[in-house]
Amino acid sequence: GAVVSQHPSRVICKSGTSVKIECRSLDFQATTMFWYRQFPKKSLMLMATSNEGSKATYEQGVEKDKFLINHASLTLSTLTVTSAHPEDSSFYICSATRDGSYEQYFGPGTRLTVT
Amino acid sequence: GEDVEQSLFLSVREGDSSVINCTYTDSSSTYLYWYKQEPGAGLQLLTYIFSNMDMKQDQRLTVLLNKKDKHLSLRIADTQTGDSAIYFCAARSDYKLSFGAGTTVTVRA
Repeated sequence: GAVVSQHPSRVICKSGTSVKIECRSLDFQATTMFWYRQFPKKSLMLMATSNEGSKATYEQGVEKDKFLINHASLTLSTLTVTSAHPEDSSFYICSATRDGSYEQYFGPGTRLTVT
Repeated sequence: GEDVEQSLFLSVREGDSSVINCTYTDSSSTYLYWYKQEPGAGLQLLTYIFSNMDMKQDQRLTVLLNKKDKHLSLRIADTQTGDSAIYFCAARSDYKLSFGAGTTVTVRA
């Protein structure tokens, strides 16, 4: 158990458009979901933490108006990159925790390329 | 915030042991993790150790923790070509994970 999926796995979009990435917990209810960004050959940087039904908590330096996070249900969180620019190109990874546990289960990641 | 550091590259001959080292700064870190990432994929949890433990062994994997020095290591015995990947060390404080930059392990025949 504890499988997390992401969709799409890869997306290419034009500069100025918005793109939505979904993160789903397939076999458990995720009380908390995390969004990370990974630069090439770099570590994962936590962008935000979201709890179902409440506003996301963004890390310092992450623009909340640019990276919109919605956690509408216990199995789905979405990250929307608004007005994307080439510098937003990155690998975005989500993770989820079950109720009562701090263990994070990671999704397979989404490769975003903005042209 | 917490700083987690690890060496960036390791090359090892197939069949030998690999040792990846990691240091962290937050002494209140409760759990320390090792994740594996293969090209284009997400993170796979390999093993973890609670901060009050010194050592944990799980098949070919051995984790050593020196809490005084805030030093963590992962030893992979009998390294195989399928072990080639990036290995991330992570420290947990409260509910947040802080990751190192990852060690790229290359296994040569």
